[in-house]
Amino acid sequence: EVQLQESGPGLVKPSQSLSLTCSVTGYSITSNYWGWIRKFPGNKMEWMGYISYSGSTSYNPSLKSRISITRDTSKNQFFLQLNSVTTEDTATYYCARSLTVATPFDYWGQGVMVTVSS
Amino acid sequence: DIQMTQSPASLSASLGETVTIQCRASEDIYSGLAWYQQKPGKSPQLLIYGASSLQDGVPSRFSGSGSGTQYSLKISSMQTEDEGVYFCQQGLKYPFTFGSGTKLEIK
Repeated sequence: EVQLQESGPGLVKPSQSLSLTCSVTGYSITSNYWGWIRKFPGNKMEWMGYISYSGSTSYNPSLKSRISITRDTSKNQFFLQLNSVTTEDTATYYCARSLTVATPFDYWGQGVMVTVSS
Repeated sequence: DIQMTQSPASLSASLGETVTIQCRASEDIYSGLAWYQQKPGKSPQLLIYGASSLQDGVPSRFSGSGSGTQYSLKISSMQTEDEGVYFCQQGLKYPFTFGSGTKLEIK
């Protein structure tokens, strides 16, 4: 079974970078699409971007200048980096899989809550 | 971006009651719509994809319908385990966008 697990610091200072890891078991990240989604306090959900089986990426234009998604296929992990964070980036961050570029997310990690605060 | 307007924001239903949640897109999304359920402290679970296809393992009391800009999720007989927050998500155009969520509780 596909399992995803996010990890990373729960507290980040404003203006610093947020870095998260998604570790995947039961499936290779060299197949399908692997994304990051975040949920803000109050339930608003935002698709942040994905990295594909080939390593290509697509980002939400609202984040394009600050976001980077990379991967390490040898460890079956992919990563989120979000630069110049503000308190508005406080959210629960999820990694997830979609089978194709146009299908929804069928497997999700449990999420990691990140607070941006000094 | 495609805007997704979801309603109602919250509702309570009795056991066995039929529940309907609506989602409206700001443009035609050609059935590129998914529904998720999220329980407290858990990650979202995919219920419906392609507007009306039931994800494997999801109880048959859940169903989705709609076309164009208007879509709905129906729970035919409310159960206690159906409490949670429900989201719609369009998958036609990037960036994918979500509805604002519907909190469903037992009455």
